[in-house]
Amino acid sequence: DTAVSQTPKYLVTQMGNDKSIKCEQNLGHDTMYWYKQDSKKFLKIMFSYNNKELIINETVPNRFSPKSPDKAHLNLHINSLELGDSAVYFCASSPQGAVNTEAFFGQGTRLTVV
Amino acid sequence: QKEVEQDPGPLSVPEGAIVSLNCTYSNSAFQYFMWYRQYSRKGPELLMYTYSSGNKEDGRFTAQVDKSSKYISLFIRDSQPSDSATYLCAMIKSVDMRFGAGTRLTVKP
Repeated sequence: DTAVSQTPKYLVTQMGNDKSIKCEQNLGHDTMYWYKQDSKKFLKIMFSYNNKELIINETVPNRFSPKSPDKAHLNLHINSLELGDSAVYFCASSPQGAVNTEAFFGQGTRLTVV
Repeated sequence: QKEVEQDPGPLSVPEGAIVSLNCTYSNSAFQYFMWYRQYSRKGPELLMYTYSSGNKEDGRFTAQVDKSSKYISLFIRDSQPSDSATYLCAMIKSVDMRFGAGTRLTVKP
């Protein structure tokens, strides 16, 4: 039983395309995150949602739009993909950021823009 | 300046060595401090967390936090080849979780 699952695991697409990454957690957590990990392994927060409400929206291009249809899902849609968007994108969830600190990560989606 | 600074290494040690990994941070609002371990092509997994200054021990791992210096450390005793991974420090204020750059560790048999 996967706790945090992301689909797809690999995504290769051309510049200018629009793509979506889906994330689902079956842990009953309130908070979900999207992180981008570059080739140097730096994990940069992109968005944080708490009970479907956007809490953190870092300096991310408008081409990136998160959507949380319910507490268990947080999807990421990317418009007009660019070469610099190539990275591994991780979804994570936690019960509540300040109370129980363990965040569970998905396996990541390796996005390659060609 | 990044909120969380971590030397990315790489760090290579012989089996059995003591490993010291460190992070500094600039925002005193951080409340919780964690270490995650990430194996190649996997998501990060929580190794240890603490919320106060001092030491916390779990088997071969010791996490140390010094809030006055804004400095956290992770010590690994008797390091094993299976400890080879990237170690990321992380810090939380409310629902905002920030990571360091990660240190790639290799333990050689």
